[in-house]
Amino acid sequence: EADIYQTPRYLVIGTGKKITLECSQTMGHDKMYWYQQDPGMELHLIHYSYGVNSTEKGDLSSESTVSRIRTEHFPLTLESARPSHTSQYLCASSEYGDGYTFGSGTRLTVV
Amino acid sequence: KQEVTQIPAALSVPEGENLVLNCSFTDSAIYNLQWFRQDPGKGLTSLLLIQSSQREQTSGRLNASLDKSSGRSTLYIAASQPGDSATYLCAVYNQGGKLIFGQGTELSVKP
Repeated sequence: EADIYQTPRYLVIGTGKKITLECSQTMGHDKMYWYQQDPGMELHLIHYSYGVNSTEKGDLSSESTVSRIRTEHFPLTLESARPSHTSQYLCASSEYGDGYTFGSGTRLTVV
Repeated sequence: KQEVTQIPAALSVPEGENLVLNCSFTDSAIYNLQWFRQDPGKGLTSLLLIQSSQREQTSGRLNASLDKSSGRSTLYIAASQPGDSATYLCAVYNQGGKLIFGQGTELSVKP
């Protein structure tokens, strides 16, 4: 079954650590996205990619970076985590006409 | 700049009631519109996708309509159940295929 997978589901990490949030999809979609969502708040687009070797920053400024070396894989990296990075991170992919498919999210807590 | 508004922000109904969630958008030049459901602390589940040439979509007890000229969409839920309790998000596709989300309607269905 085609789907989109995010790991880890939950992550608690100390300040200053480097972390990578994984996102993979099996649908062959060219377009992939990362959203950030604080509890009870709106989703904000922080990164997107329209294909391999293509990445762009979204509407909300973020200290994270992304890469797109393979179509199915779109990891997000924080070089030095801070408590202000505590949030839920949601990955999605899309193809025009098919709609967006979201992963289950990674809930990050930086202590 | 496209803005998406959802009314009401929260809604509590007894089990069995039919209900309508509203979504409005400021720029009628949209491509598609998608309704999602989000349970607390979880990712987004796609409910219905209405493409720009369509006026409505149905899935089970859910029916979504789209009126581009008036900038409105409604999500109709028939015979509501406690399991329908969640936040419902409306999102429109702008040029380039990026989603613009509303703030959501938090629905509570009481047994």
